[in-house]
Amino acid sequence: ELKVEQNPLFLSMQEGKNYTIYCNYSTTSDRLYWYRQDPGKSLESLFVLLSNGAVKQEGRLMASLDTKARLSTLHITAAVHDLSATYFCAVDKSGGSNYKLTFGKGTLLTVNP
Amino acid sequence: NAGVTQTPKFRILKIGQSMTLQCTQDMNHNYMYWYRQDPGMGLKLIYYSVGAGITDKGEVPNGYNVSRSTTEDFPLRLELAAPSQTSVYFCATYHTSLKTQYFGPGTRLLVL
Repeated sequence: ELKVEQNPLFLSMQEGKNYTIYCNYSTTSDRLYWYRQDPGKSLESLFVLLSNGAVKQEGRLMASLDTKARLSTLHITAAVHDLSATYFCAVDKSGGSNYKLTFGKGTLLTVNP
Repeated sequence: NAGVTQTPKFRILKIGQSMTLQCTQDMNHNYMYWYRQDPGMGLKLIYYSVGAGITDKGEVPNGYNVSRSTTEDFPLRLELAAPSQTSVYFCATYHTSLKTQYFGPGTRLLVL
């Protein structure tokens, strides 16, 4: 059974600081996704990582994938209040056949002034 | 394009009642999914479909049924609602070009 673990589950940080969210998964996969969810809203796709060593950046967020270590990271640079949200990683172990995702529990990020 | 739409947005059910959560997409995507999200938890897959007429169970299918008679629609049926089915339900489709799942706005269900 595929397990996806995120840490930390709760993250309170000050504006301007840097931090990293970690996503570990238990079985081989080369497809990993990051989503953002605002309170009471749906999930918004942030990054799609489809190969070992993949790195994607958008604004203050950068995601990477190490399939050998079964680890993805979401790095936050110089956090701002607008980044406050819950961030989920999700893994597809179907090998591109049915694209079923297994989600982590999410990291609730609060950015304080 | 409306994308993925879900109705209703919110519903209160009594224990033992049944209802259908509707999901419609206008993107002509073959793959569709139903997830539930409980507080403080990630999403768990209930059922999925790889095309019209083809459905399969996900991680937590008990108490639910689905059908897929058309590409556009993927309704989720709850029979004999139980308090454990109180959750937020998300429908999603897989975008083959962008290689990611896109989610509907969700249905919040409360079973009392």
